[in-house]
Amino acid sequence: GAVVSQHPSRVICKSGTSVKIECRSLDFQATTMFWYRQFPKQSLMLMATSNEGSKATYEQGVEKDKFLINHASLTLSTLTVTSAHPEDSSFYICSAEQNEKLFFGSGTQLSVL
Amino acid sequence: ELKVEQNPLFLSMQEGKNYTIYCNYSTTSDRLYWYRQDPGKSLESLFVLLSNGAVKQEGRLMASLDTKARLSTLHITAAVHDLSATYFCAVDPNSGYALNFGKGTSLLVTP
Repeated sequence: GAVVSQHPSRVICKSGTSVKIECRSLDFQATTMFWYRQFPKQSLMLMATSNEGSKATYEQGVEKDKFLINHASLTLSTLTVTSAHPEDSSFYICSAEQNEKLFFGSGTQLSVL
Repeated sequence: ELKVEQNPLFLSMQEGKNYTIYCNYSTTSDRLYWYRQDPGKSLESLFVLLSNGAVKQEGRLMASLDTKARLSTLHITAAVHDLSATYFCAVDPNSGYALNFGKGTSLLVTP
């Protein structure tokens, strides 16, 4: 079946640095990918919809200058958390659709010190 | 604003017992999803319900959808410890695969 690969699975960084998270569709093309954030013991919140070849669509309250999304190819979307702060520490998950089925990445645990 | 409400949020049940988790949503949606999440892990797809009256079963779990009532249920039959996890329902209000999740039901099955 289709697989969505997310990397890295875990990252620890210092406050003020930037972190890039990759989401790849391994055996299918995805013109649209979705990025979610999950704080501990909370639900998943949609952050943005990543569109290949065009700007991402951000949900209300999500800072587009802080969470940069690039979808430069049909198999790769990246989320860059710029100038990360401890409050950005969270579990980030991407997803993509193929043939009306949704596939989720394995998630990235970001810890900002 | 779309609301997806799950209840209960926490559930402790004994092995062998039955229980139902409820998911209410506030707007029309073509698709209703159920996922399982283990601690520190991503989501495992359980069911996708696409039409009114849809019922799907896998092992000890059965999901149903009533689009008129905007209600989905996840029924657990004869629970076992391995079912301990957090269960999320999610709706797709714009039919574009961007999901709105419920808060999740944290299930603990005890001996």
